[in-house]
Amino acid sequence: GIQVEQSPPDLILQEGANSTLRCNFSDSVNNLQWFHQNPWGQLINLFYIPSGTKQNGRLSATTVATERYSLLYISSSQTTDSGVYFCAVERGTGANSKLTFGKGITLSVRP
Amino acid sequence: NAGVTQTPKFQVLKTGQSMTLQCAQDMNHEYMSWYRQDPGMGLRLIHYSVGAGITDQGEVPNGYNVSRSTTEDFPLRLLSAAPSQTSVYFCASRTGTDYEQYFGPGTRLTVT
Repeated sequence: GIQVEQSPPDLILQEGANSTLRCNFSDSVNNLQWFHQNPWGQLINLFYIPSGTKQNGRLSATTVATERYSLLYISSSQTTDSGVYFCAVERGTGANSKLTFGKGITLSVRP
Repeated sequence: NAGVTQTPKFQVLKTGQSMTLQCAQDMNHEYMSWYRQDPGMGLRLIHYSVGAGITDQGEVPNGYNVSRSTTEDFPLRLLSAAPSQTSVYFCASRTGTDYEQYFGPGTRLTVT
């Protein structure tokens, strides 16, 4: 099956710093999503981005499908950005289409 | 829209007990799926459904049953709970044509 690798596994930032989180995947995909799991365990959709670039406030994401990677940028980080960031990809269509998750990146933003 | 809802939020079971985790969505999504999340790992697919009456196994189906009698509901049954099923369970849904998935708030299950 498709492999998803996220790096770095852990990241500690001072409030106000910028960061880049990376997701590499082993095959072409129909879907790529970034999620933030907050300290209460809730999974929050950040981006649906199988290709191209999107921005939402301080967060932006870029997926280069031909090179099989995606980047999530967090600018001017805040303590509320802490949590685990997951990249998930989906390959195939119809009944064969399943979402595969990476192991996540744990981000801690210190005040 | 309430989106994807799950009940209960927390559950403690004894080994050998059975129970059903409930999942419902009000977005008329065709696809629904169940994932489990264990410490230090991403989410792993248990079972999924592409429409009412159609279900299939995911990566870790053993010990779980599902059925899909309506578009809205996709319950997950644990037939005889084991400590290895201690986990956080997430339900998700999406349309048949748009790949973006939406997740419920999760159910934290402990089996003693």
